Amino acid sequence: DSGVTQTPKHLITATGQRVTLRCSPRSGDLSVYWYQQSLDQGLQFLIQYYNGEERAKGNILERFSAQQFPDLHSELNLSSLELGDSALYFCASSASGREDTQYFGPGTRLTVL
Amino acid sequence: AQSVTQLDSHVSVSEGTPVLLRCNYSSSYSPSLFWYVQHPNKGLQLLLKYTSAATLVKGINGFEAEFKKSETSFHLTKPSAHMSDAAEYFCVVIPPSGYALNFGKGTSLLVTP
Repeated sequence: DSGVTQTPKHLITATGQRVTLRCSPRSGDLSVYWYQQSLDQGLQFLIQYYNGEERAKGNILERFSAQQFPDLHSELNLSSLELGDSALYFCASSASGREDTQYFGPGTRLTVL
Repeated sequence: AQSVTQLDSHVSVSEGTPVLLRCNYSSSYSPSLFWYVQHPNKGLQLLLKYTSAATLVKGINGFEAEFKKSETSFHLTKPSAHMSDAAEYFCVVIPPSGYALNFGKGTSLLVTP
């Protein structure tokens, strides 16, 4: 158990809908990262937050957004969902620095029908 | 750009025999390199990381990796495979200017009795 929690575990929804994925980092970690894992794209970095502020952006679509709250939990919002958004979404957390280990949550499996 | 190439998409070994999972990196600078493992329907777990302190890095569950600058390689090895080692293994690099992990495409390790 990494100490990173993600809810829900599974999410099934329809095209065009909007969903919110939630992540609670390990106690004391200030950075939260979101990754997407799909069969065709592999594991890709989406976005990072550090202590409430956006720090880095990767291959995140404009339909997707995220935020980190004062209690350091984070939410990833996915809107206007398409079939291709079906994937496993991971959250990871780290203490702060670049070489700090990132600890991964169990993931949320999103299925868009 | 910092990237890693995992040379084998699938590796099959017999229980009790050595494991070798190959990874080459491209980097203009001394990179931070990691190996993560993903068991079926589980999150990602850090096996080991290299951050220039020592070229031979020991990880969990008997795995180790050697950083070879001359060969730009960071291969993962284990002397004796166990059935529980069957999983997907990812070689990962962090760019010097960033924090997000860049994942290789993964190597699926199959361990046969």
